[in-house]
Amino acid sequence: NAGVTQTPKFRILKIGQSMTLQCTQDMNHNYMYWYRQDPGMGLKLIYYSVGAGITDKGEVPNGYNVSRSTTEDFPLRLELAAPSQTSVYFCASSYPVRASGSRETQYFGPGTRLLVL
Amino acid sequence: QQQVKQSPQSLIVQKGGISIINCAYENTAFDYFPWYQQFPGKGPALLIAIRPDVSEKKEGRFTISFNKSAKQFSLHIMDSQPGDSATYFCAARMGEAAGNKLTFGGGTRVLVKP
Repeated sequence: NAGVTQTPKFRILKIGQSMTLQCTQDMNHNYMYWYRQDPGMGLKLIYYSVGAGITDKGEVPNGYNVSRSTTEDFPLRLELAAPSQTSVYFCASSYPVRASGSRETQYFGPGTRLLVL
Repeated sequence: QQQVKQSPQSLIVQKGGISIINCAYENTAFDYFPWYQQFPGKGPALLIAIRPDVSEKKEGRFTISFNKSAKQFSLHIMDSQPGDSATYFCAARMGEAAGNKLTFGGGTRVLVKP
């Protein structure tokens, strides 16, 4: 049981390039989330999904896109990278509250560090 | 608009001392208040959590105190150890109808000196 895995661990992009950050979970969680964490700051929600085929915007969605074709995968797409997108990106997953019992928490991946130059 | 405010931003405590981190929230629709611990280069991991119908929860050396009327909650780390040196985030969760979204505080960097 690997939990939440993210690839790549680190990436340098040039301004205007695009890339996809991968996220996979093997816990059969319905809910998945993407956050960004800027240096010395808390985590801000970018997008989330409550199940395959269902996604919604979080607090800071501009410049990003997501898709959820399977329960396991929740990729985050950056179309035109900008220096403001330099950050550490975390993917997380959780059970729905009613199904979680004592397991109600979001489980986080190890993060992807992105530098846009 | 920041919905969860956390203080202090950093604190230094001697080994064996008590670390106290405070958070305040605005939205009364939050239904669950977790604390996460994050080590450098790692993702956040759940440390302890509380529901708003409970005033205190203790797990080992970690205690959450919750004041619903004041919309405040705090984390106490008793007998702080060097291994507790990490960044701590409070969070507040919207219910299932809102996707179980978490709103995080800004984080507190704790350094425990031996």
